[in-house]
Amino acid sequence: GAVVSQHPSRVICKSGTSVKIECRSLDFQATTMFWYRQFPKQSLMLMATSNEGSKATYEQGVEKDKFLINHASLTLSTLTVTSAHPEDSSFYICSAGKGITEAFFGQGTRLTVV
Amino acid sequence: GQNIDQPTEMTATEGAIVQINCTYQTSGFNGLFWYQQHAGEAPTFLSYNVLDGLEEKGRFSSFLSRSKGYSYLLLKELQMKDSASYLCAVMDSNYQLIWGAGTKLIIKP
Repeated sequence: GAVVSQHPSRVICKSGTSVKIECRSLDFQATTMFWYRQFPKQSLMLMATSNEGSKATYEQGVEKDKFLINHASLTLSTLTVTSAHPEDSSFYICSAGKGITEAFFGQGTRLTVV
Repeated sequence: GQNIDQPTEMTATEGAIVQINCTYQTSGFNGLFWYQQHAGEAPTFLSYNVLDGLEEKGRFSSFLSRSKGYSYLLLKELQMKDSASYLCAVMDSNYQLIWGAGTKLIIKP
């Protein structure tokens, strides 16, 4: 099946710094990618839809100035958590699909802000 | 509002069969997905149903009834590695995935 690669898998950063997470579709072009956040023992929560060449669409309650999304090419989307705080510590997952019946997930990034 | 309901936790015995139910209320319907998620890992795709009926894929089967807003995931010949969370998700009329909270399945020897 298709492969979506997400990097890094784990990151620890100091409060107030920024962290960039990359999501790459390795064997297909993804005009749309999705970014999710998942807190322990909770379901995936869609943060934003990333569209190649245009601005991301953010879900209600998600601060677009804090979670910067860039989808500069058909195979790469990045999520930057700016001025991270401990409450931003979470599991961040990206996904991309070859069609509406398929959604392939990256490996996820465990962010810990200390 | 949109809502996906599935049990929080289930326990089953190795070698047995377990059925995980999912009911949904969404604005429109473009398919129902089941994903498996092991602790600390990203979800992996299990099945997709868009028409009523049963889809079988090895030890896993998924059933859909659109009129009832109901689906189930059936796991046969349970193995210890099947211990995971199982997520039900529905694609609505805007092609957005609405996620259930997941069912944690515990397999006992």
